[in-house]
Amino acid sequence: DIQMTQSPSTLSASVGDRVTITCRASQSISTWLAWYQQKPGQAPKLLIYATSSLDRGVPSRFSGSGSGTEFTLTISSLQPDDFASYYCQHYGDYSTWTFGQGTKVEVK
Amino acid sequence: EVQLVESGGGLVQPGGSLRLSCAASGFTFSNYWMTWVRQAPGKGLEWVANINQRTSGSEKYYVASVKGRFTISRDNAKNTLSLEMNSLRDEDTAVYSCARWPVWPTAVEVWCQGTVVTGSS
Repeated sequence: DIQMTQSPSTLSASVGDRVTITCRASQSISTWLAWYQQKPGQAPKLLIYATSSLDRGVPSRFSGSGSGTEFTLTISSLQPDDFASYYCQHYGDYSTWTFGQGTKVEVK
Repeated sequence: EVQLVESGGGLVQPGGSLRLSCAASGFTFSNYWMTWVRQAPGKGLEWVANINQRTSGSEKYYVASVKGRFTISRDNAKNTLSLEMNSLRDEDTAVYSCARWPVWPTAVEVWCQGTVVTGSS
């Protein structure tokens, strides 16, 4: 099975910072890589699908990139509403999906 | 308004059974793959099961840790998704969420709030 490893597990940042979260796959995967944001007590929210496509209504400060085994989520200028946990997900095969272990973005 | 509303969570003893239901509204339920995802207390997201669009749910897939114990099913006439959970273990304690997947290229884009399943050992 493909394993997805996110880094860092926790990230301390300030409003206005550029933030980058990395997701590494245990083997080369397709472009079917998604990123979700989750706040405490809330359902996850889809931010990015197919590595770099922004979901409807997601601010343009979020972007995704990558290929092969390394993928990144970048927040160009961190806003107060962005302090949350972020998860990557490989969904390239409908018979098995894998999430990364998550990255918590906290106030520095 | 697109909605997924869950019911059926609760306290259960190890070895017990529980059935979760997810009522869909505001969209054509039969057009979507559906999925269950869980989150143990303080932990990350874990995919549990997928089911294809057909009423018979001819394609069903599970994470290895629940295979043979959990059964995903759907009733397109009633716009309902279900998860039958048997032989429950302490490690199954989690918030269980149903969600819809329009298939590629997009990912899981509508989620329910989730229902809590707690082991009572």
